[in-house]
Amino acid sequence: DAGVTQSPTHLIKTRGQQVTLRCSPKSGHDTVSWYQQALGQGPQFIFQYYEEEERQRGNFPDRFSGHQFPNYSSELNVNALLLGDSALYLCASTLDSIYGYTFGSGTRLTVV
Amino acid sequence: TQLLEQSPQFLSIQEGENLTVYCNSSSVFSSLQWYRQEPGEGPVLLVTVVTGGEVKKLKRLTFQFGDARKDSSLHITAAQPGDTGLYLCAGARGLDYKLSFGAGTTVTVRA
Repeated sequence: DAGVTQSPTHLIKTRGQQVTLRCSPKSGHDTVSWYQQALGQGPQFIFQYYEEEERQRGNFPDRFSGHQFPNYSSELNVNALLLGDSALYLCASTLDSIYGYTFGSGTRLTVV
Repeated sequence: TQLLEQSPQFLSIQEGENLTVYCNSSSVFSSLQWYRQEPGEGPVLLVTVVTGGEVKKLKRLTFQFGDARKDSSLHITAAQPGDTGLYLCAGARGLDYKLSFGAGTTVTVRA
């Protein structure tokens, strides 16, 4: 049973560019959350998608946007990249959050 | 300001020793989860606790949720090198859908 799949695994972008990260949730899961994890820190919540709608958003600027598709897969878009956006971006899926989340291995984004 | 404070930040012990990691907050959580993360990988769920005072055991790992649902601890008995990793606690408050993570405790078990 495939878990959460994220692509690409690594990405290098230049300041000001735009990036799209992709996530396929674990089979049977309908809720997808995105997190940003800086080096040496815990993950920070960006937003969560359920039924193709953004259900909750963390303290991230509007440069961060997302989408969920009918098959529950999701995309994270970041516009006007800043050096500070360099981080590991994690996608997590669940069917019921009280039972915990399954995380992907993440996309390592480096902005130069 | 971190909603969940983990301590210690770093822990280095010899194989066979015991260790405890703490996760504290001034907020009440409806559930609290513990994850372990290895370099280059995403966090892996170890346990979810939902009832105040709840104790769960997973082989050599014991997890406890505080009576007031504001804190939790993870105790590892007879640690092994395979226990090495970043341990993260994460909580969900009330009707929040998001998980708030602590900064993590880096555990190193030396052979």
